[in-house]
Amino acid sequence: DTGVSQNPRHKITKRGQNVTFRCDPISEHNRLYWYRQTLGQGPEFLTYFQNEAQLEKSRLLSDRFSAERPKGSFSTLEIQRTEQGDSAMYLCASSGLAGDLYNEQFFGPGTRLTVL
Amino acid sequence: GNSVTQMEGPVTLSEEAFLTINCTYTATGYPSLFWYVQYPGEGLQLLLKATKADDKGSNKGFEATYRKETTSFHLEKGSVQVSDSAVYFCALNIPQGGSEKLVFGKGTKLTVNP
Repeated sequence: DTGVSQNPRHKITKRGQNVTFRCDPISEHNRLYWYRQTLGQGPEFLTYFQNEAQLEKSRLLSDRFSAERPKGSFSTLEIQRTEQGDSAMYLCASSGLAGDLYNEQFFGPGTRLTVL
Repeated sequence: GNSVTQMEGPVTLSEEAFLTINCTYTATGYPSLFWYVQYPGEGLQLLLKATKADDKGSNKGFEATYRKETTSFHLEKGSVQVSDSAVYFCALNIPQGGSEKLVFGKGTKLTVNP
């Protein structure tokens, strides 16, 4: 396993279109996080899964955003009716092994979304 | 709420210079503190961490000490190299209900010239 992977790496779309991103975590990791990073800012938390259960969602995650993690493996993040303000880098991270005192989050390379 | 404030960049140094990047935090509860690094074209990587007051995290010549009294976690390196050029993010988390979501600062871009 070479780490967290994200696809696509880049996505350009027109305003109003729907987009979906995929994240494949490190295989033995049970926790998965999505963050959003805009230019010149640090990543901001969007949502968190433990196995297949979505346990926390940020207020940043509007009704147009939905995330899933079927079977507790890969995760998808969908944005409906995209807006120009959605343009950002979307980062996925995973951590795992129940019982650890601290679970380091390993980040993927991100998906850069540009909404025209 | 929980927040992190980092020294604004960019920071430009010559090779072998001393580096300090300031980081202060506001948190409810007892956070763990981290420095993450993002090299050009790569994903975020954990550089070092400290989980309680007075702990010192260290890695690759970088150090940071968790100072509860000043709510700070400043990053230092005695002699920087060109390969240290990257963006550095200070972050915290407060584990709650299994979630260890990270709260990041805005990042500080470091450029080291030969």
